[in-house]
Amino acid sequence: GESVGLHLPTLSVQEGDNSIINCAYSNSASDYFIWYKQESGKGPQFIIDIRSNMDKRQGQRVTVLLNKTVKHLSLQIAATQPGDSAVYFCAETSSYGQNFVFGPGTRLSVLP
Amino acid sequence: ETGVTQSPTHLIKTRGQQVTLRCSSQSGHNTVSWYQQALGQGPQFIFQYYREEENGRGNFPPRFSGLQFPNYSSELNVNALELDDSALYLCASSTTGTDEGTQYFGPGTRLLVL
Repeated sequence: GESVGLHLPTLSVQEGDNSIINCAYSNSASDYFIWYKQESGKGPQFIIDIRSNMDKRQGQRVTVLLNKTVKHLSLQIAATQPGDSAVYFCAETSSYGQNFVFGPGTRLSVLP
Repeated sequence: ETGVTQSPTHLIKTRGQQVTLRCSSQSGHNTVSWYQQALGQGPQFIFQYYREEENGRGNFPPRFSGLQFPNYSSELNVNALELDDSALYLCASSTTGTDEGTQYFGPGTRLLVL
């Protein structure tokens, strides 16, 4: 079936550097995407979202880029901090507000 | 904090038993979705409840069932528990009927089936 995948299962970055987490999705009908952050023992935390009629959206220290041509989503974190260490999931849906399909996640480790 | 609460936080059951998990949605939200997250994997959609009825279901057997109450809180029931049901069960609340489709998650209930 359709699924969302990630290019890199783990990512290690130096504190203060920028991080880029990538995600490939296979359902061309997907029209809404969310990045979630999940810390150990907690539920996924909303970071930022983007709809298919946009190609870029910025938040506080985070930017999501959407390339519908190659079905690729990325999350950029500026000036990565130790508190950013977590597993990051991209999630997509083609039934707005209903069933989100999650990828396996990327673990981000921030090195001192 | 999202305002979504779940109970209990942890639960241990034996194979064949039944379990009920509970979720209270965030204030202002009318929809609850349930997900199963196995260790080291992303969440998998079980089903969603809106207006006290099932509003979409993932690839889970009928022994996974749910309820939504008039105050929008929800229960997930699993009958005839199997070892593979051991997972983190997440509920997410959202609003149906508006332009907002974001789902906000609770902390989850960790279920261990022995």
